Amino acid sequence: QVQLVQSGAEVKKPGSSVKVSCKASGGSFNNFAVSWVRQAPGQGLEWMGGIIPIFVSPNYAPKYQDRVTISADESTSTVFMEIHSLRSDDTAIYYCAKSQSTVTTYFYFGLWGQGTLITVSS
Amino acid sequence: EIVLTQSPGTLSLSPGERATLSCRASQSVTSNYLAWYQQRPGQAPRLLIYGASRRATGVPDRFSGSGSGADFTLTISGLEPEDFAVYYCQQYGRAPLTFGPGTNVDIK
Repeated sequence: QVQLVQSGAEVKKPGSSVKVSCKASGGSFNNFAVSWVRQAPGQGLEWMGGIIPIFVSPNYAPKYQDRVTISADESTSTVFMEIHSLRSDDTAIYYCAKSQSTVTTYFYFGLWGQGTLITVSS
Repeated sequence: EIVLTQSPGTLSLSPGERATLSCRASQSVTSNYLAWYQQRPGQAPRLLIYGASRRATGVPDRFSGSGSGADFTLTISGLEPEDFAVYYCQQYGRAPLTFGPGTNVDIK
């Protein structure tokens, strides 16, 4: 049974970067798309972007196109999400989520990671 | 982008009652590509429904989805204690993927 295991919580300074990992434990992504979804404190869910690990080009929500980099390492079944130029309003829980599609990142999510809290504070 | 509006914002019900949650899209959702998720406090979301009406594996049959075009409904036929949570709809018919703001189903 594949589980998505994310890296631990971090505290970052404004203007810095953070890289969060999401590893498929007990298996692999099997070429299914993986997305990142964020949830600010007490708020709803927001899709940031996604990637199909065997393909080169991720897709991003317009809001995150310039500040977020999503990548994948097939050899370790790990997907990464890096946010640059962090701001206080980036404080949120970041989830990775595996979709049920191998051909598009624009799909629904059947499996979620446990979430990673990123706190941005001076 | 497609904007999803959920109503009501909060639904206060008693165990055993029927819950009806609405999700309306700012434009028609392609191929009824609409999913519903449940999120309990401190947990990640859990997929309940996809394709507007298809239950995900392991989801109890008291959960049902319906609707088409731009109007969708999630119905919980008889609330169990573990069903008190926040419910989100998500469209995946058009990029970027978008979620509704959620409906909080709490105990009356």
